Amino acid sequence: QKEVEQDPGPLSVPEGAIVSLNCTYSNSAFQYFMWYRQYSRKGPELLMYTYSSGNKEDGRFTAQVDKSSKYISLFIRDSQPSDSATYLCAMKGQGAQKLVFGQGTRLTINP
Amino acid sequence: NAGVTQTPKFQVLKTGQSMTLQCAQDMNHEYMSWYRQDPGMGLRLIHYSVGAGITDQGEVPNGYNVSRSTTEDFPLRLLSAAPSQTSVYFCASSYGTGHGGTQYFGPGTRLLVL
Repeated sequence: QKEVEQDPGPLSVPEGAIVSLNCTYSNSAFQYFMWYRQYSRKGPELLMYTYSSGNKEDGRFTAQVDKSSKYISLFIRDSQPSDSATYLCAMKGQGAQKLVFGQGTRLTINP
Repeated sequence: NAGVTQTPKFQVLKTGQSMTLQCAQDMNHEYMSWYRQDPGMGLRLIHYSVGAGITDQGEVPNGYNVSRSTTEDFPLRLLSAAPSQTSVYFCASSYGTGHGGTQYFGPGTRLLVL
């Protein structure tokens, strides 16, 4: 079993829809949770970063962490075609150097 | 700030050839790492370094070598290329454990081994 599980999709939704992307994990030591966005033929770029449990909002994006369920989510409101990309979750423990990534979810927003 | 840079962008090798993928960062980051990305596999860690002169293996180190003689540079060497090493390679750097260790990625090198 992988430490981090992410549904690879693909996921296709109409423009303006609310998108929910999720990851589950098994290591209770994880404290830092990130979402990266990767456009086609580009490197991943950091989108959201959350420490421990709770919510974090940045414009149309909201990251949620539920440590009791070992479950993290990324919500995209009013989705735009420019949001079409692969979204990767990543996480690490306190003091740990290495990030553990999910497989990535390919998202397409249709105009 | 150029961030993390990688060269070449694309490379074709024959089985058995060797080559070095270059990675450089200008953010004075302590931590640098190399990943490979394959369809359905996400990002897998090959090697990483926590500072000049210090390197360690990641999840898939076989067939790859690294060294870290300066803070800025972290080259990845393929010793004898195999078709299984066909992949997209990403270099990343971070402040280490600061800022949660969030990593900044380069644009990638696409490698095809025939």
